[in-house]
Amino acid sequence: EDQVTQSPEALRLQEGESSSLNCSYTVSGLRGLFWYRQDPGKGPEFLFTLYSAGEEKEKERLKATLTKKESFLHITAPKPEDSATYLCAVRGSNTGNQFYFGTGTSLTVIP
Amino acid sequence: ETGVTQTPRHLVMGMTNKKSLKCEQHLGHNAMYWYKQSAKKPLELMFVYNFKEQTENNSVPSRFSPECPNSSHLFLHLHTLQPEDSALYLCASSQDLGAVQETQYFGPGTRLLVL
Repeated sequence: EDQVTQSPEALRLQEGESSSLNCSYTVSGLRGLFWYRQDPGKGPEFLFTLYSAGEEKEKERLKATLTKKESFLHITAPKPEDSATYLCAVRGSNTGNQFYFGTGTSLTVIP
Repeated sequence: ETGVTQTPRHLVMGMTNKKSLKCEQHLGHNAMYWYKQSAKKPLELMFVYNFKEQTENNSVPSRFSPECPNSSHLFLHLHTLQPEDSALYLCASSQDLGAVQETQYFGPGTRLLVL
């Protein structure tokens, strides 16, 4: 069964303390792995799409990487404004029109 | 702010009311989606439209009725809802379902409270 598991569920970091969020997935024929940022009461904001193992993408303090089984979202020297919930989603060749989402990692960056 | 807008942003309704949620996308996309987001749960896909045609209905109760008059607009009509339907309802769009590389873009959501 296709699924997405994110860990940890919650993460508290001091400002400047780098860390990584994990997204493990099982899907047949990956057609895309997606990272979103969601602030409280708002819709998910698109960050990255990764399509094949070994691919990496960066945006400011964020870097997403992909293997055949998982993706990492690395946060370098985070700032309080990076506090949000980070969602991971996948689409597979046999998931039809479905994008499968994880439950997210809630990140809090303390000044 | 984003290419996908939703109205209203907040809605309180009684179980006997009828209301509608509206979504509009300005991205030139052809696929549109409704999701339900509840606390501590993954986003739940409700409906998918591609070129105005419904392609997915994920066993959603009939008290939720979608409408897609064109590729830019999507509605969710609500009637006789239950308190457990209280959630954040998100609209999303993507280029089209046949695209090899497909990314969804979300609206800000409608926070619904059913009393």
